[in-house]
Amino acid sequence: EIVMTQSPATLSVSPGERATLSCRASQSVSSNLAWYQQRPGQAPRLLIYGASTRATGIPARFSGSGSGTEFTLTISSLQSEDFAVYYCQQYNKWPRGGTFGPGTKVDIK
Amino acid sequence: QVQLVQSGTEVKKPGSSVRVSCKASGGTFNTYAIAWVRQAPGQGLEWMGGIVPIFATANSAQKFQGRVTITADESTSTAYMELSSLKSEDTAVYYCGSTVSGYVDYWGQGTLVIVSS
Repeated sequence: EIVMTQSPATLSVSPGERATLSCRASQSVSSNLAWYQQRPGQAPRLLIYGASTRATGIPARFSGSGSGTEFTLTISSLQSEDFAVYYCQQYNKWPRGGTFGPGTKVDIK
Repeated sequence: QVQLVQSGTEVKKPGSSVRVSCKASGGTFNTYAIAWVRQAPGQGLEWMGGIVPIFATANSAQKFQGRVTITADESTSTAYMELSSLKSEDTAVYYCGSTVSGYVDYWGQGTLVIVSS
């Protein structure tokens, strides 16, 4: 089973600053990596798929990079609505699985 | 755009089973798969499994094998997730989502399942 890890667990950032979130897979997942945002009380929202492709309607300040086992989500200039929890997910073995990372909480510094 | 509407809150006793439904509209049901993801209170997202309705083939995470049954009814564009032998640790919000390649692009609103004696 592929294990996903994320760092840091919590990231404190001031509005307008850049946030860089990391995700690591225990074995290569190629570019089969997605990022989601989840605000309190809401369902997750797809941000990035294929490691670097923004989903429909996602602002350009969100960008993804990486391949293999190391991935990064960058939020270039944090807006108030971006303070949330972010999860990465590998889907390299789809349809036989799609494990999530434990999440990174981005909160206001 | 796919919309997914899930069934309502369930309260169950330990050892019993629960079935959660997920009705799809928009899009064509047999052109995408349905995934099931759960989230325990204050915890992260956990992949449970999924089904490709057109092939009626379902897969589940190893943790849930033998306890989860995922099915789909193309005639009503509805997917179901049944979890048996419930324990208190199964208390969670259960989400369904549509997927083509493994990432979930549309999500249901979530169904709270409470397991308590």
